[in-house]
Amino acid sequence: QKEVEQNSGPLSVPEGAIASLNCTYSDRGSQSFFWYRQYSGKSPELIMFIYSNGDKEDGRFTAQLNKASQYVSLLIRDSQPSDSATYLCAVKGYSTLTFGKGTMLLVSP
Amino acid sequence: SQTIHQWPATLVQPVGSPLSLECTVEGTSNPNLYWYRQAAGRGLQLLFYSVGIGQISSEVPQNLSASRPQDRQFILSSKKLLLSDSGFYLCAWSRPDRGRTEAFFGQGTRLTVV
Repeated sequence: QKEVEQNSGPLSVPEGAIASLNCTYSDRGSQSFFWYRQYSGKSPELIMFIYSNGDKEDGRFTAQLNKASQYVSLLIRDSQPSDSATYLCAVKGYSTLTFGKGTMLLVSP
Repeated sequence: SQTIHQWPATLVQPVGSPLSLECTVEGTSNPNLYWYRQAAGRGLQLLFYSVGIGQISSEVPQNLSASRPQDRQFILSSKKLLLSDSGFYLCAWSRPDRGRTEAFFGQGTRLTVV
C-alpha cells in the first residue's frame, strides 16, 4: 500500500515569514513528486514539481527532495495571507498519483 | 493549450438513484485520466484511472464504475447511490509519459446524497 504522510496542521505563520511544509512517502519506486495548493471548496492547483534530489526554486516557492530519506518539503518565503490554503503532497509511481491528506496553512496579517 | 471540463459543478441526489459524471479533456491526445474522491476532511482517494480507451483500472472496490468511451472522455457512474458516496469528485488528466508528468484537475463536482 503506497502511503504519503503529511502533518494535518494547521500550520500558522505570520505574514512575511517562511512556511515549511513536509511530506514522507513509502514507495521507494516513486519517480516524481508534486505540491498542490487547494483553497476551500476548490480543486487542487499544481504549484511545484520535482524529480531529482536537491532543491528546486520557483519564485517564492522551493521544493526539496531527499529520495534516500523518502522526504519531500515545500518552503514558502515571504508568506502572504493569500497563501492560506491546504497544501497537498503527491507522489507518482508508474502511472498513478497518490496524495497525502494535506497540511492546512494559515498566514496571519 | 489543454483544458479539462467537468460537470455538473454541484449535484444533490437521493439514495438509490443513479449517477453519471462526465469529464472531457481538450488539446491533447491519449491522456491518462483519473477519477478522485475527496470526502469532507479527508484526502484525495483515487477511484479509477485509465491509460486508453476501454482500459480502466479500479483502485477501490465500491458501487461506482468508470468508462472511457472516447480518447478524451471519462465517465463515472453508479446504479444506486449510497449516503457514503457523498463527496467532492475530481477528474484529472496527465500526459501519457509514465512517471514524470504532473496531473491537472477539473473544477470538481460536489455530490450530496440525501
